[in-house]
Amino acid sequence: AQSVTQPDIHITVSEGASLELRCNYSYGATPYLFWYVQSPGQGLQLLLKYFSGDTLVQGIKGFEAEFKRSQSSFNLRKPSVHWSDAAEYFCAVGRTSGGGADGLTFGKGTHLIIQP
Amino acid sequence: DAGITQSPRHKVTETGTPVTLRCHQTENHRYMYWYRQDPGHGLRLIHYSYGVKDTDKGEVSDGYSVSRSKTEDFLLTLESATSSQTSVYFCAISDLPTDTQYFGPGTRLTVL
Repeated sequence: AQSVTQPDIHITVSEGASLELRCNYSYGATPYLFWYVQSPGQGLQLLLKYFSGDTLVQGIKGFEAEFKRSQSSFNLRKPSVHWSDAAEYFCAVGRTSGGGADGLTFGKGTHLIIQP
Repeated sequence: DAGITQSPRHKVTETGTPVTLRCHQTENHRYMYWYRQDPGHGLRLIHYSYGVKDTDKGEVSDGYSVSRSKTEDFLLTLESATSSQTSVYFCAISDLPTDTQYFGPGTRLTVL
């Protein structure tokens, strides 16, 4: 079965500083990979996704992520964070075998705090 | 935003009572999912549907059942609610099995 690890439960970053959130996955084949963001009391919003092709993926709100097969990683980055980026971030993996209809496996999330 | 609504948005119930949560979509997507979100666990899949009357179990399906009689509606039922089912429940939809899942606003359920 696939799994997702987000090693950092909390991360604190100063406003204007760069950000990198880590995500490692375990899956035998090439997975579908997603980053979602959740603001307090809200649902999940898709930031970006990787299905195939270019391993550097651009998303909304200035975020990007890079798929590294050799490291089984899909880290999320942003060059300069804004106070509005404070939220919970989830990495998720979807299977490519068996039709892939059986949902996503999520990491436990990283809580991002922005310092003024 | 994808047209997904969940009802009710908040519910407080007592142990042993039945509870049904509804997910309604206006996107005509084939695939629908129920997840629960708990602190320290992220989101975990409860059940999913790949068409009308076609459903299957997810990772944490014990104590839950689902039904889908129409494309637009996916119901999650707790036959006899327990305190361990206190959680936030999210519905999601997708057009293709390996495509992006779009999430509803969630239902916060408290079982006393």
